[in-house]
Amino acid sequence: DAGVIQSPRHEVTEMGQEVTLRCKPISGHDYLFWYRQTMMRGLELLIYFNNNVPIDDSGMPEDRFSAKMPNASFSTLKIQPSEPRDSAVYFCASSFPTTNTGELFFGEGSRLTVL
Amino acid sequence: GENVEQHPSTLSVQEGDSAVIKCTYSDSASNYFPWYKQELGKGPQLIIDIRSNVGEKKDQRIAVTLNKTAKHFSLHITETQPEDSAVYFCAASLYGNNRLAFGKGNQVVVIP
Repeated sequence: DAGVIQSPRHEVTEMGQEVTLRCKPISGHDYLFWYRQTMMRGLELLIYFNNNVPIDDSGMPEDRFSAKMPNASFSTLKIQPSEPRDSAVYFCASSFPTTNTGELFFGEGSRLTVL
Repeated sequence: GENVEQHPSTLSVQEGDSAVIKCTYSDSASNYFPWYKQELGKGPQLIIDIRSNVGEKKDQRIAVTLNKTAKHFSLHITETQPEDSAVYFCAASLYGNNRLAFGKGNQVVVIP
């Protein structure tokens, strides 16, 4: 398997624009996570899904952020409108049910810069 | 919720020496403690984990120790090599709970 695939790898946009980040989890993984990484706050869990259903979105910063998982092989994280403070690296991760190893498999991240 | 802190934030070691990174956690109910390594431009990758039913676990040059009484756990890297240079994240959670609480990461630099 190719691992977790994220796109785009880099995104530069202007304040107020809509940003959509995409993720393809590893086939067979039931859980999908979106994390945000910044120098100040480290790795923060934004939201996670189990079998395509959002389970915990308490980490989503505000209503400008939304995430969807229309099927087992695709998820999006959308920011609308974007702001400079949203600049960060956004990671998607997937895992088997935690009755197995509990290991998270991360993608390579999407680096977002909002000007 | 769980709060995880890592020390030191940056660690420089000579190649061949040992590196130790320590993490403390706040929730005494946590029983699962993984360590992730993040290389430049990559996502974090699990390198070792430990559950609270053991005090130490080793895998070749890396080991993790856990002190549940003091609520801290440490990553030990022996015979460091340049490829060990990376950011290391510790995390804690209740096993089976998907809300891993990560520390902010330690930059380890191995000087050749």
